[in-house]
Amino acid sequence: GAVVSQHPSWVICKSGTSVKIECRSLDFQATTMFWYRQFPKQSLMLMATSNEGSKATYEQGVEKDKFLINHASLTLSTLTVTSAHPEDSSFYICSASGGSDNSPLHFGNGTRLTVT
Amino acid sequence: GQSLEQPSEVTAVEGAIVQINCTYQTSGFYGLSWYQQHDGGAPTFLSYNALDGLEETGRFSSFLSRSDSYGYLLLQELQMKDSASYFCAVRSLNTNAGKSTFGDGTTLTVKP
Repeated sequence: GAVVSQHPSWVICKSGTSVKIECRSLDFQATTMFWYRQFPKQSLMLMATSNEGSKATYEQGVEKDKFLINHASLTLSTLTVTSAHPEDSSFYICSASGGSDNSPLHFGNGTRLTVT
Repeated sequence: GQSLEQPSEVTAVEGAIVQINCTYQTSGFYGLSWYQQHDGGAPTFLSYNALDGLEETGRFSSFLSRSDSYGYLLLQELQMKDSASYFCAVRSLNTNAGKSTFGDGTTLTVKP
């Protein structure tokens, strides 16, 4: 089945610094990947759609200059949280479809970001 | 836009059967998915319904009625490890599965 790998699994950083999170599709090519954020005991909220070779599409309310997305290859998308603040502390999860239009979402293991 | 409703919490005992309902509102329905998420982990795909009826995968089954905008996840022979959050997610026409809208999740607690 489709495997999505996400790194790091957790990170602690100081306010004002930037953090990069990587998402890789290991056994399939993903022209599109998705970044979600999840606060404790809440649902998954789609932040942006990462498109290989083009600009990401951000959901309403998500700051594109704060959450930089790069999808330089068919197997790698990165999310950089710039100038992180404590309110950015959350669980960030990437996902990709298995390749066909009807494929379900496969999620990475998530990255728990804590900003101190 | 889309919206989904599912119960916030369900409790059951080991060996029992539990049903988690999900009602949705969307324009251009394409399919309903179910995901399981354990505390601290990422969601994992359980089941997907695009057509009316029951889909069975081992102890888990999922049902869809498009006319009622309703679906449910049925978990049989409950085990302690089934304690987790369960999300239904609706996908609309002309969108990738990643554009699915997720419900708020149902926390299932399985007791001995």
